[in-house]
Order: sequence, then structure tokens, then C-alpha cells
Amino acid sequence: GAVVSQHPSWVICKSGTSVKIECRSLDFQATTMFWYRQFPKQSLMLMATSNEGSKATYEQGVEKDKFLINHASLTLSTLTVTSAHPEDSSFYICSAGTGGFGETQYFGPGTRLLVL
Amino acid sequence: DAKTTQPTSMDCAEGRAANLPCNHSTISGNEYVYWYRQIHSQGPQYIIHGLKNNETNEMASLIITEDRKSSTLILPHATLRDTAVYYCIVRRTGTASKLTFGTGTRLQVTL
Repeated sequence: GAVVSQHPSWVICKSGTSVKIECRSLDFQATTMFWYRQFPKQSLMLMATSNEGSKATYEQGVEKDKFLINHASLTLSTLTVTSAHPEDSSFYICSAGTGGFGETQYFGPGTRLLVL
Repeated sequence: DAKTTQPTSMDCAEGRAANLPCNHSTISGNEYVYWYRQIHSQGPQYIIHGLKNNETNEMASLIITEDRKSSTLILPHATLRDTAVYYCIVRRTGTASKLTFGTGTRLQVTL
């Protein structure tokens, strides 16, 4: 299957700092990428849909000014958590679609963020 | 997208077939059934998807009932590495259609 990578795999930061997470589709081009967040013992929650060359679409309740998403190319989307606080500590996962009718989404390995 | 219902947890002995059921009684004609699994602390892994015909790949088989209101994911010979949370997701066709994750089924494969 298609491969999606994320970097970094884990990050620890101080409260108030910003953290950038990269999501790359390694062997295919992805017009659309998705960002999810998963808290312990919970399911994945979609945060936003990232479209190449345009603004991201955020789910209800997700602060667009806090979670900045950039999708500058067909293989790279970034999520920046601005002014991170301990409650932002979570597992952030991206996915990318292969496109087309009945397309499949492939997920990255996730980034674990711990804000102290 | 149609909502799905899955058992919270299941056990399976190693080497046996694991049959994971999913109900999606409100599925529409243009919605596919997708299965993903998530092993602890990893991103979800795509397993298989189908529209109305049964499907099989190297990982699993997907059996969809004729009325498409339910399906079963079959892992023919479960191993300890198949222990994971399995998600059944119904999703519209077409690019950029998001996946909505429910709580899934926690499959525990035992010796």
C-alpha cells in the first residue's frame, strides 16, 4: 500500500511554544490530507481537511488559529500547534488519500506531543 | 455518512479465524464499507474495503450481506500480531470524503 510518513514521531515542548508536525505522502500525490487527534483510550477525531493550495477546512470546535495547517505541495502537509498548552498533549495522526473513485486513505504513524 | 455498530471487544485463539461483525443498517447506495485497524500507539492501517461484492486480499476477507446492512471482516488465521482495535467505517465514494471513526472492536488474540 501507499506510504505516509510523519515527523517527528514524538515531541516534548514547553507550554507556550509552537510545534510543527510534517505529514508526507512518499510514493503518491495527495490532493487532500486529513489531520486527526487521539486522546488516550479514545477514538480518532478528525480535526481538519487539508487541500493542496487552498485553506484547510476545520471541524466544529477546532480552533483554526491554534492549529495552523499548510498544504503547500501534493506530498506535504504541516500542522503547527501554536502556543501549545498541556491540554494539547495528544497523538496527532495524518492521512492522505490516493484519489479517484472509491479512493483509500492511508495513515501516517502518528506524532505524540507532550506539552509540559 | 452512515453510522456503524460494532461489538466492543472480542477474543480469538491464535490460528483460528477471527470474524468481526459490523452493522450499518442506514448505508446508502453510494457508500463503501472500509475496515481499518489500529495497533497500540500506531496510526490506523488500511485492511480492505468493498461496495457490495465480497472482497479478499492478502490480509483479510470482507463479506457484505446482500442488503448491505451488515458486513463481516474475516482474518483467516489470527496471530498475536493481529491484536488491535478494528474499525468498520462507512464512507461516501469520491475524493476527499472524510473517515469518521467510531469506537471499534478491540480484538484480543490469545495463545
